[in-house]
Amino acid sequence: ILNVEQSPQSLHVQEGDSTNFTCSFPSSNFYALHWYRWETAKSPEALFVMTLNGDEKKKGRISATLNTKEGYSYLYIKGSQPEDSATYLCAFLGYNAGNMLTFGGGTRLMVKP
Amino acid sequence: DSGVTQTPKHLITATGQRVTLRCSPRSGDLSVYWYQQSLDQGLQFLIQYYNGEERAKGNILERFSAQQFPDLHSELNLSSLELGDSALYFCASSEGTSNQPQHFGDGTRLSIL
Repeated sequence: ILNVEQSPQSLHVQEGDSTNFTCSFPSSNFYALHWYRWETAKSPEALFVMTLNGDEKKKGRISATLNTKEGYSYLYIKGSQPEDSATYLCAFLGYNAGNMLTFGGGTRLMVKP
Repeated sequence: DSGVTQTPKHLITATGQRVTLRCSPRSGDLSVYWYQQSLDQGLQFLIQYYNGEERAKGNILERFSAQQFPDLHSELNLSSLELGDSALYFCASSEGTSNQPQHFGDGTRLSIL
């Protein structure tokens, strides 16, 4: 059973704060790491797919880094806005997993105006 | 709008019954994935099809089966339903392999009475 952990489980920040959270995954047999944003009552929306150690991706105020050797990825949100409130999911894909993504439990972000 | 269509949106049925959930992938996507989200649990991968063939299988119960048709739409069949099968079932699609982002439908909420 693969262990994909996200921390913290939930986070409350004020509008304008910058924040970050962590996804930890097995450091062996790494193939790809996905990040998704899931707003309440909607479906998960893809943010990034990361494949290379040291990869850094950016989409607007959201960015992510990847360290495959130590098995973690950080997601950063700069200047949080209320519309950033959502659950952020990471999902790990290993070489031996076929095409099966293993999702973490998510970090629930709430941004107060 | 992700371009992935799932029907029905809601389904209420009784224990022992059989239901079929339908998914139309985004135009051009060859891979279809099915996920289950039960109460207090994260997204659990069930099964993946690529261009009509099964490619990966997760912890899918024997009472559940799926297929992908020549027009690439997919159906998830759930039989001998139990109370514990009540969940949100998501379909996602991608162009091909799992180092590409997945695009999620709005889900089918299944309630077993």
